[in-house]
Amino acid sequence: TQLLEQSPQFLSIQEGENLTVYCNSSSVFSSLQWYRQEPGEGPVLLVTVVTGGEVKKLKRLTFQFGDARKDSSLHITAAQPGDTGLYLCAGAPGGNQFYFGTGTSLTVIP
Amino acid sequence: NAGVTQTPKFRVLKTGQSMTLLCAQDMNHEYMYWYRQDPGMGLRLIHYSVGEGTTAKGEVPDGYNVSRLKKQNFLLGLESAAPSQTSVYFCASSYIGQLREQYFGPGTRLTVT
Repeated sequence: TQLLEQSPQFLSIQEGENLTVYCNSSSVFSSLQWYRQEPGEGPVLLVTVVTGGEVKKLKRLTFQFGDARKDSSLHITAAQPGDTGLYLCAGAPGGNQFYFGTGTSLTVIP
Repeated sequence: NAGVTQTPKFRVLKTGQSMTLLCAQDMNHEYMYWYRQDPGMGLRLIHYSVGEGTTAKGEVPDGYNVSRLKKQNFLLGLESAAPSQTSVYFCASSYIGQLREQYFGPGTRLTVT
C-alpha cells in the first residue's frame, strides 16, 4: 500500500489543453513537494507547499495543498510538449522518512 | 558545483555478486538518501543518513547496507545481489529543516541476471 496515491497514472493530451494531477493520502503531512522527472534523469523539485489551503503558481503550473494537509493537486494550463515528464509528489508524514507518490506520466502531443 | 553525482551510471551483476554504489554531493548537505525506482512504484526509500557517521533504515532496506564515513559521501552496498534488486537507484541530499527539499543525482541503472 502506497502512502501517497497519485492519479491518473498516465495522461496523454494535446498541446494547449489543461490538466490536473492529484496526490492523495490518509496521513497528514507538514509539507508536500512536487517533482518532475525526465527520462534518464533524476527528479527535479518544482515546488513545496506548507500551509493547508495554500496555492502556489509557477508560470502555467498551479499547486494546491488541501485544507487538511492530506492531499495536493497540480494543475497545468495550456500544456506544452516541454511539460512532458513524470510528476511525483513527496512528503514526510513524521520524522525523517520520505515517501514518494506512484507518479503521473504526462505526455503532451504537439 | 557538480551537485549530486553517482557512480557508476550502469552496471550488470550476476546473482550473488556484490557491489557498491557511490554518491557524492558538494552542497554541504547534512541529509542524504538512497532510493530505488521501479515501474509503477514511484521512488522508495532504502536508507538515509541525517549526518556523518549516522544511517537509518527506510521503507525497503532488506538486502542493502550503507555507510556515511564522510559528510559528502553516501555509499550503498549490495552484498549478494538478487534479480529483485534490478532497478534504477537514485541518491539525493538535502539541508536540515522542515522542508528538506531534495536534490537528486542522475541515477544508476542496475541489472541483476
